[in-house]
Amino acid sequence: DTGVSQDPRHKITKRGQNVTFRCDPISEHNRLYWYRQTLGQGPEFLTYFQNEAQLEKSRLLSDRFSAERPKGSFSTLEIQRTEQGDSAMYLCASSLGTAGNTIYFGEGSWLTVV
Amino acid sequence: EDQVTQSPEALRLQEGESSSLNCSYTVSGLRGLFWYRQDPGKGPEFLFTLYSAGEEKEKERLKATLTKKESFLHITAPKPEDSATYLCAVQAGGAATTSGTYKYIFGTGTRLKVLA
Repeated sequence: DTGVSQDPRHKITKRGQNVTFRCDPISEHNRLYWYRQTLGQGPEFLTYFQNEAQLEKSRLLSDRFSAERPKGSFSTLEIQRTEQGDSAMYLCASSLGTAGNTIYFGEGSWLTVV
Repeated sequence: EDQVTQSPEALRLQEGESSSLNCSYTVSGLRGLFWYRQDPGKGPEFLFTLYSAGEEKEKERLKATLTKKESFLHITAPKPEDSATYLCAVQAGGAATTSGTYKYIFGTGTRLKVLA
């Protein structure tokens, strides 16, 4: 069990640029989640996949955000035309597909928009 | 509305000074309550899952308990390496999303500092 892996760990980008984050979940987990966390706050839900299907998106996820999980394994989160308000840590998590199951987080990807 | 509130926001303890962190929740149909530890700049690290009132889990100096309205994380004789933010989350059975997923709702955490 190698845990949830995220890449890159840190990204500094200029406002208006596009950025993409990658997440590799725990191998047997069919559910994958993206969260966003800012300083002093708990993680906020962005979106969720069961296998390759994106089943839920938060109102926080504007049209500039898109997530994919093409083969039900790794996932990508793309932010287009970044804004300074997008600066945060983007967390990926995965779990098995039953209610009450623990979600396991990766180390996160820090985004700074300058 | 489903809600998770953690208290205190911050806590400073002397090494060896035991204390408790609180997580109170208002949800429809608790599916699970989760405790995580988060170090600065890192993702949350899983500690415990609790499912029903009266349940307790222990790991080293940490013990988590659950009632129908709140959970406590008891820290016995803490050490400086226990310094971190402790997050509580619940999965609510009544808050099914349109996909049928039961959301995980996080509190804002308790920042614990243990002084040597």
